[in-house]
Amino acid sequence: DTGVSQNPRHKITKRGQNVTFRCDPISEHNRLYWYRQTLGQGPEFLTYFQNEAQLEKSRLLSDRFSAERPKGSFSTLEIQRTEQGDSAMYLCASSRLNYNEQFFGPGTRLTVL
Amino acid sequence: AQSVTQPDIHITVSEGASLELRCNYSYGATPYLFWYVQSPGQGLQLLLKYFSGDTLVQGIKGFEAEFKRSQSSFNLRKPSVHWSDAAEYFCAVGDDRGSTLGRLYFGRGTQLTVWP
Repeated sequence: DTGVSQNPRHKITKRGQNVTFRCDPISEHNRLYWYRQTLGQGPEFLTYFQNEAQLEKSRLLSDRFSAERPKGSFSTLEIQRTEQGDSAMYLCASSRLNYNEQFFGPGTRLTVL
Repeated sequence: AQSVTQPDIHITVSEGASLELRCNYSYGATPYLFWYVQSPGQGLQLLLKYFSGDTLVQGIKGFEAEFKRSQSSFNLRKPSVHWSDAAEYFCAVGDDRGSTLGRLYFGRGTQLTVWP
């Protein structure tokens, strides 16, 4: 396994701009998860996919957030009209079906000025 | 609702001393329990997990944890801490969605400082 990769690792943007993050899961992992981690807190669940289907979304995922996994491989998380409260580390994880362990990527740190 | 409580925000120990990090969970059914470690600027690395069976589970880096259903606890222990163990530790409970785990619910973390 080459591990879960996330790009970019860091993103600084101005309030009101749109940003997009990418996550490449471990090859052949069917499940892909997004979490958000703010300073001093544990990760909070945002959404997850099984292949290309988005199975669950958290109430944290407001209308400004959208996640896709179009071909069941990589996933993107887009935030529109960013706000300062969106500043956080965005973590991606993946897992195989019938396997109860999630492997995490290094995260994308977003700073909204 | 599922939740995880880590009552200690910050713990400081001397190198070579023993360590116990506390974790309490709230979950309706048999929980899937995890401990992760996060070093600065890094993602989460799984230390150990409990699904069923023996309530004392061994993990990587010399860590172990004990599941106590009566206390709704899953405390992490290490008999002798190394300076490289300084990091943030997260306890998590998994949402059982049949054959594959759903979301994880994390505690707020315990920051471990190790004195030389």
